[in-house]
Amino acid sequence: NAGVTQTPKFQVLKTGQSMTLQCAQDMNHEYMSWYRQDPGMGLRLIHYSVGAGITDQGEVPNGYNVSRSTTEDFPLRLLSAAPSQTSVYFCASRAGSYLGDEKLFFGSGTQLSVL
Amino acid sequence: AQSVSQHNHHVILSEAASLELGCNYSYGGTVNLFWYVQYPGQHLQLLLKYFSGDPLVKGIKGFEAEFIKSKFSFNLRKPSVQWSDTAEYFCAVGKFSGSARQLTFGSGTQLTVLP
Repeated sequence: NAGVTQTPKFQVLKTGQSMTLQCAQDMNHEYMSWYRQDPGMGLRLIHYSVGAGITDQGEVPNGYNVSRSTTEDFPLRLLSAAPSQTSVYFCASRAGSYLGDEKLFFGSGTQLSVL
Repeated sequence: AQSVSQHNHHVILSEAASLELGCNYSYGGTVNLFWYVQYPGQHLQLLLKYFSGDPLVKGIKGFEAEFIKSKFSFNLRKPSVQWSDTAEYFCAVGKFSGSARQLTFGSGTQLTVLP
């Protein structure tokens, strides 16, 4: 199994541009999420999904959109990129949404720079 | 505000030294506790987790952590570190929020082990 696959690995944008970060998992996981990782701030939850057609906001959702049309895919869209969105983005999934002891499987990350 | 605190931002040790990384959280009620590790250039991986039962949990690679409910702490320990333990370590707390159980991460501790 490939696990959680993120593309691209690196991206440079200009302020105001839009783009989509792709995330796919092949483990039939119910729960998928997007985090951003910033120095000294750890990982912060942007959006998450508990199943196809169901999404919800996390801690820092502003400036980002998500959709979940299939179980496998959970793309993250930046509508109008801003320098404050320069970060490393991680997609993560786990089998269930409610059980507490299940581990998250992380993708390899996307390093995004907004100039 | 509810939070997860990792007090040590950067720890430098020599090989064979003992390690203890602090983690405190401010959530009330039932929580699940995790330590994740991010080796250089890699994505986050689960090191160990506490869900219930014995408060002393053992993880991979000789790591262990102790949940002390009265102190709201979940410190990570290893008796003798190796150069290969150089990585960033994240404490995380799982708690129900919105429509799913979410993880809130601490800001991370960078561990450097000198050969």
